[in-house]
Amino acid sequence: TQLLEQSPQFLSIQEGENLTVYCNSSSVFSSLQWYRQEPGEGPVLLVTVVTGGEVKKLKRLTFQFGDARKDSSLHITAAQPGDTGLYLCAGARVGGSNYKLTFGKGTLLTVNP
Amino acid sequence: NAGVTQTPKFRVLKTGQSMTLLCAQDMNHEYMYWYRQDPGMGLRLIHYSVGEGTTAKGEVPDGYNVSRLKKQNFLLGLESAAPSQTSVYFCASIVMTPNTEAFFGQGTRLTVV
Repeated sequence: TQLLEQSPQFLSIQEGENLTVYCNSSSVFSSLQWYRQEPGEGPVLLVTVVTGGEVKKLKRLTFQFGDARKDSSLHITAAQPGDTGLYLCAGARVGGSNYKLTFGKGTLLTVNP
Repeated sequence: NAGVTQTPKFRVLKTGQSMTLLCAQDMNHEYMYWYRQDPGMGLRLIHYSVGEGTTAKGEVPDGYNVSRLKKQNFLLGLESAAPSQTSVYFCASIVMTPNTEAFFGQGTRLTVV
């Protein structure tokens, strides 16, 4: 059972276009993270969102956490070829004996020059 | 600052052989996790540890064993490798609070023939 559903699975766009990637779940998480992974490397953290409704910006990237803390979105403005990579969302559950960090399947983004 | 180091980086095993993957972190983190990454499947949790001497099963634990004898090391063992265990294995050293962040190694690419 995949707790975190990411969409779309694949996305190929031209440089300068905008895009949004979604991460949805029926479960509530303590926090949600977005990672980017490049070929041959491990994922690298982009941002952590903790509070329902929270919006964080990282240069051309905007991250939003849903009010109910079950879903999140990543919006990229004016995409560049350097944004190419696998984007993964991950939900953390912390409490009691539960310390799991669960990942979605990822969105493979290709930005063509 | 090594962060998280995984050894080996590549390995080819014959069906039925055994091996141990080593993960070492120098950040003094309590939480360490082993994931496997397969095409279209994202990162799936195999086993994890919330501190020295502790281990717990993740989403796909069958065929794997782990040990955390020292805080800085988390070992993943395959007792009798099967072709279905061909994958890229990632170790993560994780900070859970106040904000969750996972630091990944560069991965071990394992092929079982």
